[in-house]
Amino acid sequence: SSELTQDPAVSVALGQTVKITCQGHSLRSYFASWYQQKPGQAPVLVMYGKNIRPSGIPDRFSGSYSGNTASLTITGAQAEDEADYYCNSRDSTGDLFVFGGATKVTVL
Amino acid sequence: QVQLVQSGGGLVKPGGSLRLSCEASGFSFSDYYMSWIRQVPGKGLEWLSYISGSNNNIFYADSVKGRFTISRDNAKNSVFLHMNSLRVDDTAVYYCAREYENTSSWFFDYWGQGNLVTVSS
Repeated sequence: SSELTQDPAVSVALGQTVKITCQGHSLRSYFASWYQQKPGQAPVLVMYGKNIRPSGIPDRFSGSYSGNTASLTITGAQAEDEADYYCNSRDSTGDLFVFGGATKVTVL
Repeated sequence: QVQLVQSGGGLVKPGGSLRLSCEASGFSFSDYYMSWIRQVPGKGLEWLSYISGSNNNIFYADSVKGRFTISRDNAKNSVFLHMNSLRVDDTAVYYCAREYENTSSWFFDYWGQGNLVTVSS
């Protein structure tokens, strides 16, 4: 299996832009998906594929890739975006899934 | 609308067994892979297992292989996680999730509400 590495925490001023990254060898072969989780709640899918937002996810969320790194960008962060964010992808074998360790986003 | 309703969590002693259930509604259940994912309190998400719609493709994370068994009953729109030889470090909130594939991207688009499993003597 492979690992996905995320920065543990980032902060962003209200209305500014923040980029969350997810690094892993398997991302050279497989797309990542991204999940937002607020305290006491189940995770919510916010991004998948090359840059696809599920219905109901604001367009301030966007996704991108470079080499072995997937990124989730929040452009114009809002107070309600404060949450833990997890990336997920297939592992190197393609048989299993693996989650990153989460990035806690604080909106100042 | 799609719903995943979980049941079966609770307190169990180390070495014990427990079965979690997840009943689906609002979609053609047998057409989808289903996964179980857990989260130790205060920690990150850990994918555990998935099962194909036709029951013929099953995989487990190394951490639970040989102890946990995933199964499904398409007639009852339900997926199960049978957990044996439970350890204290299996204490977590367990989620079922629907797996979806779109343009070579796999992801979990719907999640159950989560069930706390506590393994303690």
